[in-house]
Amino acid sequence: SQQGEEDPQALSIQEGENATMNCSYKTSINNLQWYRQNSGRGLVHLILIRSNEREKHSGRLRVTLDTSKKSSSLLITASRAADTASYFCATGVGGGTSYGKLTFGQGTILTVHP
Amino acid sequence: DTGVSQNPRHKITKRGQNVTFRCDPISEHNRLYWYRQTLGQGPEFLTYFQNEAQLEKSRLLSDRFSAERPKGSFSTLEIQRTEQGDSAMYLCASSTSSGSIPLDTQYFGPGTRLTVL
Repeated sequence: SQQGEEDPQALSIQEGENATMNCSYKTSINNLQWYRQNSGRGLVHLILIRSNEREKHSGRLRVTLDTSKKSSSLLITASRAADTASYFCATGVGGGTSYGKLTFGQGTILTVHP
Repeated sequence: DTGVSQNPRHKITKRGQNVTFRCDPISEHNRLYWYRQTLGQGPEFLTYFQNEAQLEKSRLLSDRFSAERPKGSFSTLEIQRTEQGDSAMYLCASSTSSGSIPLDTQYFGPGTRLTVL
C-alpha cells in the first residue's frame, strides 16, 4: 500500500521557474527521501531528511519536513528542461527488521518547458 | 562501482510461464531490496535481504513469487505461473549499513519490465 500522497499529481512550468511538490504521509517515520525517475528508468536518490531535521539543502533542491503535520515539500529552484521527470517521496520507518524498507508515494510528474 | 544492474531489462512471456530476474547490487552493499512498480504508481516493496538472510516479505509476495540471495551477493526473483496482473516494472535496490545504524539511501537499478501476454 502507498504510504503517502503527493500533490500535485502533475506540474508544468517554464524553464527558470521554481517547482514545489508536496508529500503527506500517515505513520511515524524515521526518515523521508525524495527520488527522481526519468520515463521508464530506475529511480535516482535526490535527498534524505531525518525525522529530527526540519530543512535540508542540496544544490538547487530544498526539502522541508513537518512531522507534526506529517508532510514534506521538495522545492527545485531555477528549473531546467532536464529536470523533467517523476518525483517520488518515500518514507522509512525505524525499528526491527523494517528498518531500511521504503514506502513510496504515487509521485508528481514534473514537466519543464524550454 | 558500476551501480546496481538488473537482467534482463525487458521480458515478454506468456501467461503460465515461469520467469526469473537477476539483480547485482553495488559490491559493498549488504542490503538488497525488490520493489514492483505498475504504470502511474510509485514502487511497492516486495522483500529485502541483509546479506543472504531474507528479513521481510510483503503480503504482495504471493506463493508464486520467490526471491533468493544465496551468497549474499546477487539476488534472483522468480515468478511461477505468471499472470497478466504480474505485468510491471521490477526494481532492485541496494544499500549498506554502517555499524548499528543502516544508511537509508537506496541505489536503484534500471529495472526489469515484465509483460505477461
